[in-house]
Amino acid sequence: DAKTTQPNSMESNEEEPVHLPCNHSTISGTDYIHWYRQLPSQGPEYVIHGLTSNVNNRMASLAIAEDRKSSTLILHRATLRDAAVYYCILVPSGSARQLTFGSGTQLTVLP
Amino acid sequence: NAGVTQTPKFQVLKTGQSMTLQCAQDMNHEYMSWYRQDPGMGLRLIHYSVGAGITDQGEVPNGYNVSRSTTEDFPLRLLSAAPSQTSVYFCASSWGQTNTEAFFGQGTRLTVV
Repeated sequence: DAKTTQPNSMESNEEEPVHLPCNHSTISGTDYIHWYRQLPSQGPEYVIHGLTSNVNNRMASLAIAEDRKSSTLILHRATLRDAAVYYCILVPSGSARQLTFGSGTQLTVLP
Repeated sequence: NAGVTQTPKFQVLKTGQSMTLQCAQDMNHEYMSWYRQDPGMGLRLIHYSVGAGITDQGEVPNGYNVSRSTTEDFPLRLLSAAPSQTSVYFCASSWGQTNTEAFFGQGTRLTVV
């Protein structure tokens, strides 16, 4: 299975944009890129996903490199509530919806 | 809309005891799965189900059993609890397509002493 690489931790100031990187150099052509986050003492929460094109939703934006070997989750204006562990996960097309979690990026938001 | 509901939220077991962690979803999702999360680590897949009557093993299935008699419920059974099973357990559900999101429960924190 294709793996992802994320920084262990990042810091951001409140109300500033945050760019969370993810490398997935062995991604296959039919792998979807999903992002989840986990707030303290809670279950993971879906953030966004994409295949080839950049995606926007109410929570975040997902920028996917043209060669799909990396992607960036963008939080446009970080709030204290965005402090969480962010997971970048590749989901193969046709899989049984199994999610393989790495260790993710711990985002700290400074007031 | 309750989403994915896990019970209990907390449980302490003695080594060798058995118990069942409950998971129910009200979204008519086909896929359900169980994960465990040890301190400071990501989630690891224990068992999953692609529909009623169909289950399969994930990455760490030893010591756990599952069954799926209805679409809504996917219980996880610990046969003989061991301290190594101390963890936080999460249940998730989703539609079948890979371009849809998974919904997670709030977790069951299990301690085996």
